[in-house]
Formats: sequence, C-alpha cells, structure tokens
Amino acid sequence: SQKIEQNSEALNIQEGKTATLTCNYTNYSPAYLQWYRQDPGRGPVFLLLIRENEKEKRKERLKVTFDTTLKQSLFHITASQPADSATYLCALDMTIPGAGSYQLTFGKGTKLSVIP
Amino acid sequence: NAGVTQTPKFRVLKTGQSMTLLCAQDMNHEYMYWYRQDPGMGLRLIHYSVGEGTTAKGEVPDGYNVSRLKKQNFLLGLESAAPSQTSVYFCASSTGTPFSEQYFGPGTRLTVT
Repeated sequence: SQKIEQNSEALNIQEGKTATLTCNYTNYSPAYLQWYRQDPGRGPVFLLLIRENEKEKRKERLKVTFDTTLKQSLFHITASQPADSATYLCALDMTIPGAGSYQLTFGKGTKLSVIP
Repeated sequence: NAGVTQTPKFRVLKTGQSMTLLCAQDMNHEYMYWYRQDPGMGLRLIHYSVGEGTTAKGEVPDGYNVSRLKKQNFLLGLESAAPSQTSVYFCASSTGTPFSEQYFGPGTRLTVT
C-alpha cells in the first residue's frame, strides 16, 4: 500500500534561518503534491501545489521541490519568522484515473517552531 | 463568503448515542469530504462525495454514514458512538477539477465517553 512520511514530528529553528521540511512517499506515483499549514485548533489551509513535471515552485518566502525519482518533496521557508510556527502537512494526489474522483492522502505533519 | 462551516464545534457523547455533524459550504464546490484527525495518525478520509446525491467510502468508513441531499451540505452521522470515535472531525470541499486544493472547515471536537 502507499505510504507517505514526513521525516520529523517537530522541527525547531532560529528566526531568520531557512526551515526545510521533508515529505517522502513509497509505492505510488502521484500526479501532484500539495502542502498545507495547520494552526492549533484550526483546519488545514492550502499553501502550494506542485505537479509531477515541475521541479520547483515558489510563493513569496515558500519554495517546494518535487523529485519523482527520489519520491520526495522538500518544503522550504526562507527568512523564517515566529508567525511561521505551525504544523505543515504534505498531501499526495490519490486520483483514480477514469473514476472521476480526486482524493488526497495526508502525511502526519511536521510541527515547526520558529524561535525568536 | 463564510467558506466551509461545521456544526457543532464541540460535542460530548456517551457510548451508544447517535449524532449528526453538519458541514456547509458556500463556494458552489462539487466535491466534499469528511476526515478525522487523531494524534500520531494524521488526517484520514472517512467518506466523500463527488456531487449532490452521491457518496463514497474513504479509508476509514466503518461506524459512519453520510448524506449529500443538497450540494452545499454534507452530513456525517454516527449511529452508535464508540470511544474509538473520539477525534477531531474536519470537513473539506473542492471544485473537483484536477489539481484543485481542498478548503477545510474549523473542525468539530468529539469526545465519546
């Protein structure tokens, strides 16, 4: 069965540094991958999507890479700020071709703490 | 726009009781989803719907039923609650087009004693 792993449950980083979060998957070849942010007591919020034919995607201080050979995505936050502290979830496309159904499977998340 | 809303925000049930969680979205989205989130387990899909009047099972459907009588509403029912159903429940919606992101509600925290 497919498996998705986010390598750290928690990551502490100094303010101003670049935070790098990892998402690995096995037994599947997703057409795309998404990253979400979740604050305590709230629902996840979509951040970025990257397709299988894209190597890198950027949005402001965020950068996502997607290596389909390594079956890995990296999520970077540059110049991190305390306000970036949250749990970050990666989600793989589980679309069933021809079934008309678009599903995601989520990793367990990495809790990022940016220390002032 | 309110986006995705969920009712109630908190609920405590006794084992064997039943309840219905309501999800509503005002974005005219075709697809709607129910997830549960447990510590160490991440988000797991319970049931989903690809349009009004349709429902389908997700990864962990046992003990739950759903209905989508109106496009904007997706109901999750627990007929006989069990302590194992203690969790935070999230509803989400999406346009249903390829590569579309999901919009999540604020969640319902359910405790079954």
